[in-house]
Parts: sequence; structure tokens; C-alpha cells
Amino acid sequence: DTAVSQTPKYLVTQMGNDKSIKCEQNLGHDTMYWYKQDSKKFLKIMFSYNNKELIINETVPNRFSPKSPDKAHLNLHINSLELGDSAVYFCASSQDLAGPSYEQYFGPGTRLTVT
Amino acid sequence: RKEVEQDPGPFNVPEGATVAFNCTYSNSASQSFFWYRQDCRKEPKLLMSVYSSGNEDGRFTAQLNRASQYISLLIRDSKLSDSATYLCVVRDWRDDKIIFGKGTRLHILP
Repeated sequence: DTAVSQTPKYLVTQMGNDKSIKCEQNLGHDTMYWYKQDSKKFLKIMFSYNNKELIINETVPNRFSPKSPDKAHLNLHINSLELGDSAVYFCASSQDLAGPSYEQYFGPGTRLTVT
Repeated sequence: RKEVEQDPGPFNVPEGATVAFNCTYSNSASQSFFWYRQDCRKEPKLLMSVYSSGNEDGRFTAQLNRASQYISLLIRDSKLSDSATYLCVVRDWRDDKIIFGKGTRLHILP
């Protein structure tokens, strides 16, 4: 029974395209996140989303937009894809945004390759 | 000084040995600390939270030194299955900042 799931697992697309990655969690958590892990394996937070409050990492280009239809889903939409967007994107969730119960559970990742 | 720093390794350690590595952080206001483990081409998984008084979970011991601003992870009686990258995570609730270290690679040798 998957706790945090992402689709697709692999995504190969051309520069300039628009694509979406979907994330769902069945843990009943209140907060969800998107992370990017680049080729150097550096894991960097992009967004956190809690009760309709979006917290954005200011270094994320506005071509990236998270969309949350409900508490269990946080999708990532990317416009005008660039070569530098190639990375593994991880979705995660946690019970709380702050406090000791904030441990995050990660999805399996989506490996995005932009050609 | 980088916000969260870890020795990237790799640490090549024989099976059964004890290994320890540290993670330093620059923000003295940081409140939450965690160790995650990431296997090759897999997602990070929580290994343990790090409490002020130090905590132990089986062969793993985590400690926090606020004065020197570092956390540590000690693995005793290392197993082949401990081979992974260990990520340190530092959280400041007030700033909503979550920072992952770049990880320390550990190879347990048979």
C-alpha cells in the first residue's frame, strides 16, 4: 500500500514543452512538498503546501507551479521546459508543517529528462 | 559557511566496524534535526530524528551538539545493507526553511 505515489516514474520530453507530474498521499497528512534532486544529488526544496498556504522557494522559476486539487494531491506543472530542468523530482508529505511531527515521507521520484 | 555541510565521503568501512559522521549547520536558531537514508536511485527515507538529549535506535545513535552546531550519526556493527547515502536535515520552523545536506556516502565492505 503506497503511502506517497508519483506519476509518471520517468518523463522524457523536448525543450519548450509543458508537462505535469502528479503526486498523491494516503497518509492523511496536512502538508505536501516538492523537491528537486539534481545530477550532483543535491536535494533542494521547491515548494511546501499546507492548508492552501503555499510557501515558495524564491529560487524556483515561475515556470514551475504547484496545484493542489485537495489535501491528498499536489501536482507540479512545468511550462516551457529547459535542459536545466532535467533532474529527479520528489514529492513528500508530513503531518505538520512545523513541530516534532514533521517527519517527511517521500514518493519514489520522477526522473525528468529534457532533450 | 554553508547552511548545512556534510563530508561527501565515500566512507569505505569493513563489515562489523563502527562508523560515525557529522553534519554541521550554520543557523543557530535551527530547531529540528533529522537523518535520512537514500539508496541509489531511490527516495530518501527517514532514519531517525535527532533529539537534544541524544537518541538511539538499535545500532544507530544520533546526537546533537548545539554549542558547536553539529549533529552526528554513529552506526555500530555495520552491515552490508547499511551502504547508502546519509542525508542530514535541518529545519527552522520560524523561517519555514528545510535544508538537506548533500549527503555522506557510506560503503560497507564484505
